[in-house]
Amino acid sequence: GAGVSQSPRYKVAKRGQDVALRCDPISGHVSLFWYQQALGQGPEFLTYFQNEAQLDKSGLPSDRFFAERPEGSVSTLKIQRTQQEDSAVYLCASSDQPYRTTYEQYFGPGTRLTVT
Amino acid sequence: AQKVTQAQTEISVVEKEDVTLDCVYETRDTTYYLFWYKQPPSGELVFLIRRNSFDEQNEISGRYSWNFQKSTSSFNFTITASQVVDSAVYFCALSKGGFKTIFGAGTRLFVKA
Repeated sequence: GAGVSQSPRYKVAKRGQDVALRCDPISGHVSLFWYQQALGQGPEFLTYFQNEAQLDKSGLPSDRFFAERPEGSVSTLKIQRTQQEDSAVYLCASSDQPYRTTYEQYFGPGTRLTVT
Repeated sequence: AQKVTQAQTEISVVEKEDVTLDCVYETRDTTYYLFWYKQPPSGELVFLIRRNSFDEQNEISGRYSWNFQKSTSSFNFTITASQVVDSAVYFCALSKGGFKTIFGAGTRLFVKA
């Protein structure tokens, strides 16, 4: 079956531009996670959705970051007024388990964002 | 606070060698979960194993084996008879069961033919 997909795979933005990154989770997966992965580092948690409810957004670095999952399937991570420090790979993951991170997550290939 | 340390940044081996990737974790929780993920050049992390804190049995899956030792807070990963296809970045991760998973910085493994 289809895995987690993300688009675009690569995005170059000029400083100050807004960007929107899309994640299509595995069909039927209730849990969706966004991570930020800086070069040479492990993924860092940004936010978590259970269906359409955003239950944790404590990892979002600033109020310029906003995520939504309005119908409980596709999710969009939006970054307003991008800064150079936003340059990273943004990973999306989904899981068929609600609430918990005690089970494996299925990751997408990520969107590499470069802010110039 | 929770923390995962992968002290080996890069490891290079020749095909068929055995290699061990180290993982040391910190947590005050008595119930927690440990994971290993593989990140090939294509980018997506691939789940390898999950272990809960109450199960210290070592596990073997083909050429992969894992050694979990609570006494030293370590969860090491060994690849036996490495192959070129094993070349990737490997991440150790920790979760206490909430929404967050804490990842280590990763170990990049190069397997040369």
